[in-house]
Amino acid sequence: GQNIDQPTEMTATEGAIVQINCTYQTSGFNGLFWYQQHAGEAPTFLSYNVLDGLEEKGRFSSFLSRSKGYSYLLLKELQMKDSASYLCAVLDSNYQLIWGAGTKLIIKP
Amino acid sequence: ETGVTQTPRHLVMGMTNKKSLKCEQHLGHNAMYWYKQSAKKPLELMFVYNFKEQTENNSVPSRFSPECPNSSHLFLHLHTLQPEDSALYLCASSQAADRSVEQFFGPGTRLTVL
Repeated sequence: GQNIDQPTEMTATEGAIVQINCTYQTSGFNGLFWYQQHAGEAPTFLSYNVLDGLEEKGRFSSFLSRSKGYSYLLLKELQMKDSASYLCAVLDSNYQLIWGAGTKLIIKP
Repeated sequence: ETGVTQTPRHLVMGMTNKKSLKCEQHLGHNAMYWYKQSAKKPLELMFVYNFKEQTENNSVPSRFSPECPNSSHLFLHLHTLQPEDSALYLCASSQAADRSVEQFFGPGTRLTVL
């Protein structure tokens, strides 16, 4: 079967750095997405990785290793507004999006 | 209005009721999606429409009936639902049904079935 694993919940401190991991086992791979979802709001797009390596967008970076079936989202200089759920999703060989259950990130002052 | 809007934001209904969820996108996209989001579970894709035509129905029970009158509007008609159907229902749109492009989500309708 197809599976996306990410931690259920993480806690970090304001101003610090946090890494949210996502591992996947899917039938093929055509890219990996990260979305952010604040409580009671719509998921919003953060990043899309299809090639190995690190992509940086301001305070957020996303890394992909296709050989390891692994990605992480790195958040730097954490702010209280970063408290949200972070959803990992993989596009399989049939271009079906397989979603993880999301990681709830709690930022403490 | 910009982006993707959904109404109502909250809905409580009995198992014998009939109700409809509405989604509208103001982005000029051609593809629209219905998802179900339950607590601590992955998003479940329910239906996909591309240029008003349904292209996917992921084994969704017939008590959920989608309708797409044009590329900007999407409805989900509900009847004789079960308590386990209580969830957040999200609508999304994208430029094309190519899944390698970003999807834009609405805020969702929080549905409670009594």
